[in-house]
Amino acid sequence: AQTVTQSQPEMSVQEAETVTLSCTYDTSESDYYLFWYKQPPSRQMILVIRQEAYKQQNATENRFSVNFQKAAKSFSLKISDSQLGDAAMYFCAYRSGKTSGSRLTFGEGTQLTVNP
Amino acid sequence: DSGVTQTPKHLITATGQRVTLRCSPRSGDLSVYWYQQSLDQGLQFLIQYYNGEERAKGNILERFSAQQFPDLHSELNLSSLELGDSALYFCASSPVTGTGGSYEQYFGPGTRLTVT
Repeated sequence: AQTVTQSQPEMSVQEAETVTLSCTYDTSESDYYLFWYKQPPSRQMILVIRQEAYKQQNATENRFSVNFQKAAKSFSLKISDSQLGDAAMYFCAYRSGKTSGSRLTFGEGTQLTVNP
Repeated sequence: DSGVTQTPKHLITATGQRVTLRCSPRSGDLSVYWYQQSLDQGLQFLIQYYNGEERAKGNILERFSAQQFPDLHSELNLSSLELGDSALYFCASSPVTGTGGSYEQYFGPGTRLTVT
């Protein structure tokens, strides 16, 4: 079974600075997808960014980018120019590429605080 | 707004009771997923339906059941409720399943269940 681990329960960053959230995963599959979801105090789950395992290029969405290290099974999220609205719980998630494996497996989450 | 709706937003009930949570997926989405978010277990996949048929099961208790109707809305039934069932229950939808691809899952706002 696949597992996802986020070793940083809490992180903090100053507004306008850059922060990196860590995520590692364990899988024996070669075809899979990785995601970062954001959960603000409203508790809504919001997709931030996704990465296909077959793509070597790291995904980027505006101020959010990932560092995908497939061999190391590492998938970190970098938030640049942090804003107060980035404060939230961030979850790393894994999805198998198998046709029967579309469930998401989540990490424990990292609570990000943005200080003004 | 993800386009996924869930009702009710909050539910307070007593131990031993039965409740039904409702989810309407995004227009055109055939797959519905149910997840449970609790302090003890984190975010866990419960069950998936695709076009009316059960597609995958996760850590779903025997006291829990779900179904997806012809109009594609889904219901999660929780019976013989225990204090430990108190959690945030999310529904998510995606366009398809079983065909691979990185189809994102779009989450509803969740139903907060409190069992007293």
